[in-house]
Amino acid sequence: EVQLVESGGGLVNPGGSLRLSCAASGFTFTNAWMNWVRQAPGKGLEWLGRIKRKTDRGTTDYAAPVKGRFTISRDDSKNTLYLQMNSLRSEDTALYYCTTDPGPIESIWGQGTMVTVSS
Amino acid sequence: DIQMTQSPSSLSASVGDRVIITCRASQGIRNDLGWYQQKPGKAPKRLIYLASTLESGVPSRFSGSGSGTEFTLTISSLQPEDFATYYCLQHNGYPLFGPGTRVDIK
Repeated sequence: EVQLVESGGGLVNPGGSLRLSCAASGFTFTNAWMNWVRQAPGKGLEWLGRIKRKTDRGTTDYAAPVKGRFTISRDDSKNTLYLQMNSLRSEDTALYYCTTDPGPIESIWGQGTMVTVSS
Repeated sequence: DIQMTQSPSSLSASVGDRVIITCRASQGIRNDLGWYQQKPGKAPKRLIYLASTLESGVPSRFSGSGSGTEFTLTISSLQPEDFATYYCLQHNGYPLFGPGTRVDIK
């Protein structure tokens, strides 16, 4: 079965850190550009960043609100995508999704993992 | 940076209505645009990619058109299961979602 499963969400204090994971199965993860998207409660979808496949140098790109605070990485041996989040703010409270790239390939989304930044 | 606008931001419609949602890009993005449907508590589901290609399994009442800066999603005859929020997503350069269009029952 093709799926993405996020984990690692939870409650964190402002200024704290959290690492999210996204386990992939059922497709060739090593060939996929992978993305993180979030959705604040009652708000729209926000693209956060992506990591390209190793054959495309595995480079990363980030949206302005998270650049310098969030880091995307991947472990192809474990078919897992990561999102390291540092210096968290209340406005980072959201449901975080991992997803395949929006180009003309199979569109796969996880179910999301909730991050709440609050003291 | 590319900006995306979407209109309307919400609409009320009846079953059987034809619904048109428009997405505009601040600069040309060729046909690098998809349309997504999201229902409450669920992950988004892509309906259309490359502006006009229907995803496998998506009903043919959904269609997409456009290129460059203006795009439309059309639902030819709204069904009860179509009440949801719809987003466009451009991926010419860094991906960016439109603000969304909520479709609810009149």
